[in-house]
Amino acid sequence: EPEVTQTPSHQVTQMGQEVILRCVPISNHLYFYWYRQILGQKVEFLVSFYNNEISEKSEIFDDQFSVERPDGSNFTLKIRSTKLEDSAMYFCASRGYSRNGGTQYFGPGTRLLVL
Amino acid sequence: GQNIDQPTEMTATEGAIVQINCTYQTSGFNGLFWYQQHAGEAPTFLSYNVLDGLEEKGRFSSFLSRSKGYSYLLLKELQMKDSASYLCAVAGYSTLTFGKGTMLLVSP
Repeated sequence: EPEVTQTPSHQVTQMGQEVILRCVPISNHLYFYWYRQILGQKVEFLVSFYNNEISEKSEIFDDQFSVERPDGSNFTLKIRSTKLEDSAMYFCASRGYSRNGGTQYFGPGTRLLVL
Repeated sequence: GQNIDQPTEMTATEGAIVQINCTYQTSGFNGLFWYQQHAGEAPTFLSYNVLDGLEEKGRFSSFLSRSKGYSYLLLKELQMKDSASYLCAVAGYSTLTFGKGTMLLVSP
């Protein structure tokens, strides 16, 4: 069964450093997402991406964040200058085309720790 | 904006039935999802409702009333492995807004 994959599974970085989180969505999916979950808190939407551009983004997704689909398979989230409060689990998700919402399938996540 | 409420914790015994409720107020609605999340893992899809009524899938069923802004997830024949957080999520145009999740503890 196709799955969303994410690398790395864990990332430790120093405050102010740039990090890139990588995702390979399910191959025939068209819509891609990033979410984050701070330890003990709810899953929060960051950004959605379709047809090589951002469809929607939340207040969390400020100028420090960017997304890219550099080739036909990868989808990346870049944090330019990490802050302590960026420490969280970051989930990538993807879905196929559906007129009624469609189910988003989540990757296993990257646990980011900013020191 | 979106506001999604669900109980923080519930407990039940193995073999029992449990109902997890979710109420929502949203500015846009494109369906309601239930996900299961074990600690430290990704949410995994359980069910999707966009029309009123009950959707049954094995031991799990989900109900939706759009006029009441209400859904529930029903878990039957509980097993120890069902101990997890259950997330109610409302779909907007291109987003999912999650509730805080209901931690279900199944005891022997």
